[in-house]
Amino acid sequence: AQSVAQPEDQVNVAEGNPLTVKCTYSVSGNPYLFWYVQYPNRGLQFLLKYITGDNLVKGSYGFEAEFNKSQTSFHLKKPSALVSDSALYFCAVRDRGDSSYKLIFGSGTRLLVRP
Amino acid sequence: DTAVSQTPKYLVTQMGNDKSIKCEQNLGHDTMYWYKQDSKKFLKIMFSYNNKELIINETVPNRFSPKSPDKAHLNLHINSLELGDSAVYFCASSSRTGSSYNSPLHFGNGTRLTVT
Repeated sequence: AQSVAQPEDQVNVAEGNPLTVKCTYSVSGNPYLFWYVQYPNRGLQFLLKYITGDNLVKGSYGFEAEFNKSQTSFHLKKPSALVSDSALYFCAVRDRGDSSYKLIFGSGTRLLVRP
Repeated sequence: DTAVSQTPKYLVTQMGNDKSIKCEQNLGHDTMYWYKQDSKKFLKIMFSYNNKELIINETVPNRFSPKSPDKAHLNLHINSLELGDSAVYFCASSSRTGSSYNSPLHFGNGTRLTVT
């Protein structure tokens, strides 16, 4: 069974500084990996995904994520944080071999960017 | 244009009542989902339908019954509501056909259910 771990409940960073939100995963086969963002009282919005190919994936709003197979990680990064990036971030994994296409989410990490 | 829309946005009801949440998507997707987000923001999949066929049915009390009248709609009916059912319920959709098999989910804005 697949699972996702987001070890940090909250990440605090100053505006303009780089940010990293950590994610590790576990699947029996090969993974599809996703990052989503949730703003207050809203649904989740897709940021980026890793399917195959380059380990560094670029997504919306200047975010990127690096797939590391040996460490089973897919950390979300941004070179320069904005106050408006403050939100709840979810990592998710889908096992390529799972015919149900089930998408499993991590517990979420709250990002707080201070001015 | 709202891609995935859920109604109602808020639902306050008493224990023991029966209620329904409706979901519609206009993205042309063939797969729809219900997720439950608890007070700690943890998201758990409940059901998924592909072309009106149930393909995911997680360990959910049988008081919860999804219904998909067509590919664009997935409703959730809950019988005999309990306090523990209080949560935010999200509908989502995606495409499983052709090269879209790894497409992301598109979420609605959620229905906040409060059972008193």
